[in-house]
Amino acid sequence: GENVEQHPSTLSVQEGDSAVIKCTYSDSASNYFPWYKQELGKRPQLIIDIRSNVGEKKDQRIAVTLNKTAKHFSLHITETQPEDSAVYFCGGATNKLIFGTGTLLAVQP
Amino acid sequence: GAGVSQSPSNKVTEKGKDVELRCDPISGHTALYWYRQSLGQGLEFLIYFQGNSAPDKSGLPSDRFSAERTGGSVSTLTIQRTQQEDSAVYLCASSFAAGLPSYEQYFGPGTRLTVT
Repeated sequence: GENVEQHPSTLSVQEGDSAVIKCTYSDSASNYFPWYKQELGKRPQLIIDIRSNVGEKKDQRIAVTLNKTAKHFSLHITETQPEDSAVYFCGGATNKLIFGTGTLLAVQP
Repeated sequence: GAGVSQSPSNKVTEKGKDVELRCDPISGHTALYWYRQSLGQGLEFLIYFQGNSAPDKSGLPSDRFSAERTGGSVSTLTIQRTQQEDSAVYLCASSFAAGLPSYEQYFGPGTRLTVT
């Protein structure tokens, strides 16, 4: 079945810097890759997603890139702000959605 | 409209007792997932219901765990003979999946289970 690995587990950046979170997946049939943000004490919420027929997608300060050959995808956050501090989960899906182990992002003011 | 709801929000139980956790998905959502999130850990997949298909139970950690979804709507996750390692937040999510898990999942607030 699908397995999704996520790195790093924790990431600390200065406000205004960029943050990059990377994920790899095992099932080459995976065709959908969402990213969820979970703020402390809250439920996860979708922030961006990408499908396998697209290499890159951008939404304001966040972007996701997908390399199907290497089976990895990344989340890029530019001009980070303190409110970006949260746990971020990547997901990979074939017939069901499996999440990575999460990255705790801390943006230092 | 109403989002995904879960009950109870908190449950404290003694080791060895059975517990039932309930999830009310968004009306019309055909897909429903259960995840487990231990303190500071990721989203561990437990079980996936899609329409009238047989559920994908591949994530259930032991035969003490079971789940059902009645009438394609409400779902109940049952843990029998609870153990301390079952302590976690149990999250339910639903989506309008139309056969593929490629739609946004809406999460419930979770049930925090503590086994003493």
